[in-house]
Amino acid sequence: AQSVAQPEDQVNVAEGNPLTVKCTYSVSGNPYLFWYVQYPNRGLQFLLKYITGDNLVKGSYGFEAEFNKSQTSFHLKKPSALVSDSALYFCAVRAANQAGTALIFGKGTTLSVSS
Amino acid sequence: EAQVTQNPRYLITVTGKKLTVTCSQNMNHEYMSWYRQDPGLGLRQIYYSMNVEVTDKGDVPEGYKVSRKEKRNFPLILESPSPNQTSLYFCASSPNGGTNEKLFFGSGTQLSVL
Repeated sequence: AQSVAQPEDQVNVAEGNPLTVKCTYSVSGNPYLFWYVQYPNRGLQFLLKYITGDNLVKGSYGFEAEFNKSQTSFHLKKPSALVSDSALYFCAVRAANQAGTALIFGKGTTLSVSS
Repeated sequence: EAQVTQNPRYLITVTGKKLTVTCSQNMNHEYMSWYRQDPGLGLRQIYYSMNVEVTDKGDVPEGYKVSRKEKRNFPLILESPSPNQTSLYFCASSPNGGTNEKLFFGSGTQLSVL
């Protein structure tokens, strides 16, 4: 069965510092991996995805994520955090060979950036 | 503007009173889906639809119904709501349901069943 783990309920970082939001996954076969962000009272917005190719994926708002197959991880990173990055972040996975199946989401990590 | 529109945004109802949450997308997407979001559980898929008249169960379908009579609309129906269906609901769509496609989400419907 597919699963996603986000081990931290909350990540706190000061503005200007680098941030990392962790994600590990379990899937049969090759994974397709996604990060979404949810601002208060809003729907989820797509940030980036890993399908194949370069292990470092760049996405919206200066975020990037690194795919590590041996560690089955897909951590979200940003070199310099902004207060406006404060939100709820979801990692999600889908098996590459299972069209139409659900995108499996982690429980979410709240990112809090202080000024 | 390309978007997924859900209505209503907030809904308070009582146990057993049938309700419908509407979802519409203007992007001509084939694939549509419903998720519920609960604290500490993330998002879980309720139902999905690969095309008109084609629907299938997700991970938590009990107590819900859907229909897909038109490509743009995918309503979620609770025939007899119960308090354990109190949740935040999201509709989502993607062009073809491909495994590498990103989902476009609506703004959500906060449902409270008393």
